[in-house]
Order: sequence, then structure tokens, then C-alpha cells
Amino acid sequence: EIVMTQSPATLSVSPGERATLSCRASQSVSSNLAWYQQKPGQAPRLLIYGASTRATGIPARFSGSGSGTEFTLTISSLQSEDFAVYYCQQYNNWPTFGQGTKVEIK
Amino acid sequence: QLQLQESGPGLVKPSETLSLTCTVSGGSISSSSYYWGWIRQPPGKGLEWIGSIYYSGSTYYNPSLKSRVTISVDTSKNQFSLKLSSVTAADTAVYYCARRPDRGVDYWGQGTLVTVSS
Repeated sequence: EIVMTQSPATLSVSPGERATLSCRASQSVSSNLAWYQQKPGQAPRLLIYGASTRATGIPARFSGSGSGTEFTLTISSLQSEDFAVYYCQQYNNWPTFGQGTKVEIK
Repeated sequence: QLQLQESGPGLVKPSETLSLTCTVSGGSISSSSYYWGWIRQPPGKGLEWIGSIYYSGSTYYNPSLKSRVTISVDTSKNQFSLKLSSVTAADTAVYYCARRPDRGVDYWGQGTLVTVSS
């Protein structure tokens, strides 16, 4: 099993600020990594796949980078609707998810 | 617009079999080269992939659940289904059906809460 570890568990950010979320894989997953946003009571929404490709309709303020074992999701200027939980997922092997990072209002 | 909708009992007794169906509308399961799958989320916790199926019937499962999981597809009804046997309270979760868990899930069902309790 490839274990995905996200940090930090909680990130407190003010609106308009930049947020940087990290995801580490226990072994290389190449670029087979996705990022999701989940709000309470909703299904997750795909933000990024292939480590850096934005999904359809995702604003440009969301960007993904990394390959191998280290990945980053950056939200360049947080909007009110961006406060949520974010998950990474690898699909290089059978899919596994990180435990999530909660982005909260500072 | 593609839509996925889960259906099935919201309450299952311990040791019994959980059965859910995902109905796909706005597109055909068999006309595109995607895997379809099930993902669950226990209340207040993270996401867990259960397994996936191709329209041809090819499947692969989470090794930790493999002995209890069966996923099948019915292309004539544009549906795929999940069966999870010998359930316990640990299987209580919101169950989502999803398209292409092997490449990043681009379409999700709304999710259905299944509670395991006597």
C-alpha cells in the first residue's frame, strides 16, 4: 500500500493570502496524483490531476506541482469559498488518499 | 451532463451484506474507456477507495476489503453495483460512486449514508 501523508493537518489562512498544502507518498507515484476539495455535506471535487493539470472549470488560483514522492497544492489568493478540506490521492498503484488538510479562516 | 446516483438501503444489520447501485445518466458506461468505482468515507474521517470496474467487467479491489467486495456492471441498465459482505459497524460510511478513480475522479455521486446497526 502506498501511504499518503498530508501536512499540515490544519492550515489557518486569512482571505487573500497564499496557502501551500503538502502531500508526501511513501514511494514514488510518478505524476499520478490528484487533489480534491471537499466541503461539509458534499462530495469531493476534483481540482488537479496528473499532479499539475487543472480539472475542467477550476480557477487558475489553484495550482499543483511535484512528482515522485513530494507534491504541493498552492492556492494563490484564498477566497471565502476555498475554506474546506483538501485531499490528495495517488493512482499509480491501487488508489489511496491522504488524511486531508483543513483550510480554515484565520 | 453526466450524473451518478447511488441507491440502496441506508441501514444494514451486522454480518449481513451491504448492496448499493449506481445509476449513470447523461452518458453511457460502455461508450467510454473509463473505470467506474466506489469510494467511502466514515463520518468525520477520510476517503477510502473500495474498488473499480471497467465496462467489460474487469475489476480490481482494495486489498484490505477484497475478500468481502464484489463490484459488477450492467451495461443494459447503465448501472454498476457494490456488494460488501459480513459488514460491521466499521463499515458505516457515506458511500460514493465515481468515474475514473484510476486517473482522478472527475464525476461523483452525491453519496449515500449506510449505517450498520442492529
